[in-house]
Amino acid sequence: NAGVTQTPKFQVLKTGQSMTLQCAQDMNHNSMYWYRQDPGMGLRLIYYSASEGTTDKGEVPNGYNVSRLNKREFSLRLESAAPSQTSVYFCASSEQRGTEAFFGQGTRLTVV
Amino acid sequence: AQSVSQHNHHVILSEAASLELGCNYSYGGTVNLFWYVQYPGQHLQLLLKYFSGDPLVKGIKGFEAEFIKSKFSFNLRKPSVQWSDTAEYFCAVNLSGGYNKLIFGAGTRLAVHP
Repeated sequence: NAGVTQTPKFQVLKTGQSMTLQCAQDMNHNSMYWYRQDPGMGLRLIYYSASEGTTDKGEVPNGYNVSRLNKREFSLRLESAAPSQTSVYFCASSEQRGTEAFFGQGTRLTVV
Repeated sequence: AQSVSQHNHHVILSEAASLELGCNYSYGGTVNLFWYVQYPGQHLQLLLKYFSGDPLVKGIKGFEAEFIKSKFSFNLRKPSVQWSDTAEYFCAVNLSGGYNKLIFGAGTRLAVHP
């Protein structure tokens, strides 16, 4: 039972480089999320997708873009990485409105 | 804007001590409430959830939480903590009836000493 799978697990980027974080879930969930976790700030919502074909901004969307490729996959793209984007990124999914979210293992990103 | 506040950022306890972690949210509508736990180096896992009904909910590993609507609170409790409870705990709120957006508090880091 894979659940929510994120790749890569670790990544180091140079300032200005771009990259895409991949996320896939095999639970047939409608909603998917991207969060970043920073010390003392908890998890902050970057973008979410309530259902296939829709995406919406969360609390901290600047510097990021997302694509809900299909029901399973929700990717997060950093077009021009900045040191302020050094963080741990978590993808999550939930079945429907209001239900619990299931999290991936996280991607530790360092921008130098 | 909706928000979730966790009062304690760091808590240090000895084994067998009782635990209560505070959580308040700012939203007047119907909400679903969650407590998640993150053990060192791991992803978030659900401890317990409240959707409706009995405001006292029981979760895994002996944790429970009480929803007090008048106080907009959902505090987490455990009568007797163990060293293995050392982790970070997050309260989260999902705005029921609207879009599906799960908002987290800043987290409380719990350290339990033997």
